[in-house]
Amino acid sequence: GEDVEQSLFLSVREGDSSVINCTYTDSSSTYLYWYKQEPGAGLQLLTYIFSNMDMKQDQRLTVLLNKKDKHLSLRIADTQTGDSAIYFCAEYNQGGKLIFGQGTELSVKP
Amino acid sequence: ETGVTQTPRHLVMGMTNKKSLKCEQHLGHNAMYWYKQSAKKPLELMFVYSLEERVENNSVPSRFSPECPNSSHLFLHLHTLQPEDSALYLCASSPRASGNTIYFGEGSWLTVV
Repeated sequence: GEDVEQSLFLSVREGDSSVINCTYTDSSSTYLYWYKQEPGAGLQLLTYIFSNMDMKQDQRLTVLLNKKDKHLSLRIADTQTGDSAIYFCAEYNQGGKLIFGQGTELSVKP
Repeated sequence: ETGVTQTPRHLVMGMTNKKSLKCEQHLGHNAMYWYKQSAKKPLELMFVYSLEERVENNSVPSRFSPECPNSSHLFLHLHTLQPEDSALYLCASSPRASGNTIYFGEGSWLTVV
């Protein structure tokens, strides 16, 4: 079946690194995404990785993909209070459907 | 500015009312979507339109009626809703209906009283 799972909560201190993890089940996934949702707002595309890559870095964001374990992670370096939001992992499978996880609520404490 | 604009941002309606949510995309995309986001649940895909034709309808109750007059505009007509329909309704678009990155609007918060 198609399932994307994330832990629901993560709390870090300002300045620390945050690592948000995601597991998925469809090994044929072509693209995997991270979206960010701030309170009261829609989903903002943060970054994505193609399935033939194992790492992608974009400023403070690092995405790691372990295809063997079907594990995706998002690392945010030097986490700031403005990073507090819900982060959604999503996989775009070969059936053409975008499957979302339930989201991880990141809380950044000063 | 996300390129996908939704109005209204907030809507409160009674169970006997008829209202509509509007979405407009300025990205030149050919596919548009309605998603429902309820508390503590994954996002639910409701409808997919590709070049103004509905290509997916995920068992959504008939009290939700989508309309796509052109590839830039998408509506969700609401009538005789239930309190459990209260949620954030997200519109999105992508260049094509399959295999493309999806861009979301800010959402319309709907409360049914």
